[in-house]
Amino acid sequence: GENVEQHPSTLSVQEGDSAVIKCTYSDSASNYFPWYKQELGKRPQLIIDIRSNVGEKKDQRIAVTLNKTAKHFSLHITETQPEDSAVYFCAASIEGNEKLTFGTGTRLTIIP
Amino acid sequence: GAGVSQSPSNKVTEKGKDVELRCDPISGHTALYWYRQSLGQGLEFLIYFQGNSAPDKSGLPSDRFSAERTGGSVSTLTIQRTQQEDSAVYLCASSFGQGVSGYTFGSGTRLTVV
Repeated sequence: GENVEQHPSTLSVQEGDSAVIKCTYSDSASNYFPWYKQELGKRPQLIIDIRSNVGEKKDQRIAVTLNKTAKHFSLHITETQPEDSAVYFCAASIEGNEKLTFGTGTRLTIIP
Repeated sequence: GAGVSQSPSNKVTEKGKDVELRCDPISGHTALYWYRQSLGQGLEFLIYFQGNSAPDKSGLPSDRFSAERTGGSVSTLTIQRTQQEDSAVYLCASSFGQGVSGYTFGSGTRLTVV
């Protein structure tokens, strides 16, 4: 089955700086890669996703890049703000199967 | 409904008792998933229902865990003879399925086994 690894497990950045979280996956058949943000005590919420037919996707301060050859994808947050502090999860799904395999999460702390 | 609804939001049970957790998915979502999140940990897949297909039970940790989905809508996750290591937040999610979109999660049920 699919295996998703996520790094780093914790990340602290100064407010206004950029944050990058990286994930690798094992199954080359995976074609859908969403990112979820989970604030303390709340449900995970989808913040951005990318499919294998594109290499990069942006939504305001958030971007995701995908390298299918290397089987890795990354989340980039620019101009970080205190409200970006949360746990971020990457995930991958294999074509034809909607089950998502999640990474272990990154606790992002924005330092004011 | 407007979102994925889970009940109860919190459940405290004694070791050895059975518990049932309920999930109401978003109307029209054919796929329903159960995940478990232990304190400070990631999301562990438990079981996945897609339409009328046989569920993918590959994530259930033991035969004490079971789930069903009646009428293609509401799902119940049952844990028999609960153990302390079953303490976690149990998250349900739903999606349109068939390669469309990411999940919408419910708020979860926090299960504490004492």
